[in-house]
Amino acid sequence: DAGVIQSPRHEVTEMGQEVTLRCKPISGHDYLFWYRQTMMRGLELLIYFNNNVPIDDSGMPEDRFSAKMPNASFSTLKIQPSEPRDSAVYFCASSLSVAEQYFGPGTRLTVT
Amino acid sequence: AQRVTQPEKLLSVFKGAPVELKCNYSYSGSPELFWYVQYSRQRLQLLLRHISRESIKGFTADLNKGETSFHLKKPFAQEEDSAMYYCALSGGDSSASKIIFGSGTRLSIRP
Repeated sequence: DAGVIQSPRHEVTEMGQEVTLRCKPISGHDYLFWYRQTMMRGLELLIYFNNNVPIDDSGMPEDRFSAKMPNASFSTLKIQPSEPRDSAVYFCASSLSVAEQYFGPGTRLTVT
Repeated sequence: AQRVTQPEKLLSVFKGAPVELKCNYSYSGSPELFWYVQYSRQRLQLLLRHISRESIKGFTADLNKGETSFHLKKPFAQEEDSAMYYCALSGGDSSASKIIFGSGTRLSIRP
């Protein structure tokens, strides 16, 4: 298994543009998590899904952020419109239980 | 409120010296505590969890409920231990809880 797959690995975009980050979890895992990592705030949970259903989105910073999981093998995190303060590394993780999560390599987003 | 505090953003020690990465938590019930590690150019991965009571790569961590701490320790640091370390907490209820991560400590081992 290739593990959790994220794309793109790097994204540079201009303020105001729409950004879509993609994640393919490990097959068979029924939890999927989206995190944001910054120097100032460390690792923050944005949203997580269980069996494709969003369970807790209290970490989503504002309405500009949205996440979907249309099936067990794919999830997206969308930012529209993007702002410079959204610049961060975004991680996707999946797991069989909440405890041991397997992380993807991350997407480094830069908004200019 | 659930909270994980790692007071040190950066910890630098010499090779062979003891290491202690501090972690304190706030939780009203019986939490599960974890340490995750991110080596340079690698993915964030689970290092150890308190229920396993294991020693992984020479690291141990003991849950102290009285002090609400879960400090990570290693008696003799090695250069390959240089990484970012995150302490994390979950509610211990396998049907619910998310994991709350601390802000992380960057450990740098000097030769």
